[in-house]
Amino acid sequence: GENVEQHPSTLSVQEGDSAVIKCTYSDSASNYFPWYKQELGKRPQLIIDIRSNVGEKKDQRIAVTLNKTAKHFSLHITETQPEDSAVYFCAVPISSGSARQLTFGSGTQLTVLP
Amino acid sequence: KAGVTQTPRYLIKTRGQQVTLSCSPISGHRSVSWYQQTPGQGLQFLFEYFSETQRNKGNFPGRFSGRQFSNSRSEMNVSTLELGDSALYLCASSLQWGGTEAFFGQGTRLTVV
Repeated sequence: GENVEQHPSTLSVQEGDSAVIKCTYSDSASNYFPWYKQELGKRPQLIIDIRSNVGEKKDQRIAVTLNKTAKHFSLHITETQPEDSAVYFCAVPISSGSARQLTFGSGTQLTVLP
Repeated sequence: KAGVTQTPRYLIKTRGQQVTLSCSPISGHRSVSWYQQTPGQGLQFLFEYFSETQRNKGNFPGRFSGRQFSNSRSEMNVSTLELGDSALYLCASSLQWGGTEAFFGQGTRLTVV
């Protein structure tokens, strides 16, 4: 959506290297920031999320960092493996009238080269 | 605990027809959101239901409609199908409505010919 920008759209890394994907958002009231991984032909799967009262969260090889002041958050994958190859989406709850909805970034195609 | 179930998985319809897709959320989840996924437009929000009420609606024409039943199962309907409606339709299940932790079903691949 136009309220969530995700970069880069494609990313190729060598196996073992790190990958970083960044999202920026416009709604300063947003307080929840998930990342999804979608493998080819499969559903998007929630892999990690962070709430606005935390600056960083780690889960094994993946981490998410949040800068609320600058309104951006990033997904970090370390020691990448071929099975990390997928499309990654960030999402942000964006206000629409009196309601909020999860609005997704345009996705990043990550390719891990063996 | 069963995940989010969508039926059918695949559908082929002709222009002008209508179609109904079904989504059963995770047990205990009362919110169901629907998304359209296409290569060019990514994941676009259609609408969200919570406790049988539509809480939010995306920017789609009135041909797209939905409902939710008392057991939280949801259906979406598309009438007068157009070629451009060909997409993967995903539903997401949440405990609460309004942009919270969401879990997706496998999706229904709709092809309009």
